Amino acid sequence: NAGVTQTPKFQVLKTGQSMTLQCAQDMNHEYMSWYRQDPGMGLRLIHYSVGAGITDQGEVPNGYNVSRSTTEDFPLRLLSAAPSQTSVYFCASSYRGGTEAFFGQGTRLTVV
Amino acid sequence: DAKTTQPPSMDCAEGRAANLPCNHSTISGNEYVYWYRQIHSQGPQYIIHGLKNNETNEMASLIITEDRKSSTLILPHATLRDTAVYYCIVSPKGDDKIIFGKGTRLHILP
Repeated sequence: NAGVTQTPKFQVLKTGQSMTLQCAQDMNHEYMSWYRQDPGMGLRLIHYSVGAGITDQGEVPNGYNVSRSTTEDFPLRLLSAAPSQTSVYFCASSYRGGTEAFFGQGTRLTVV
Repeated sequence: DAKTTQPPSMDCAEGRAANLPCNHSTISGNEYVYWYRQIHSQGPQYIIHGLKNNETNEMASLIITEDRKSSTLILPHATLRDTAVYYCIVSPKGDDKIIFGKGTRLHILP
């Protein structure tokens, strides 16, 4: 049981490049979400999903796309990276109903 | 508007009880109080949650006032590994979204 796995752990992108941050969970959780955390700041919700095929926007969705084709995976796509997207990204999952959420260890992204 | 108010930072001596306050004066009847912590840039970790009764688990105790307008997270015997940012979150039961505030940075002093 690996919990929530995020890949890669570190990534450097050039402005305008695209990439996908991967998130996978093996707990059969329906709910998954993505956060970003800028230096010295709290976490802000980017996008979330309540199940396969269902996604919605969080607090800061601009510049990010998501899809949920399976229960296990919830990738986050940056279509054209900008320096303002330099941040640490966390993925989380939980059962529905406001239960305990499990977080991955984060992806540290730098856009130059 | 923030749903919770927490002190930005607190110190606690190692081995003593750490009492972290949280004010949530506008809490609704169906909203729960959740606590998470984040140890030095790791992913946040769930600690405990409650509605109106006091709760205890292997990590901490949660004391909620009778009017539910404030609560206190208690780490009974703080260790250096408890140094972290602690987030108090109010959310309706059934609402999966976790909206984080700024939290309290707890320093455990040797």
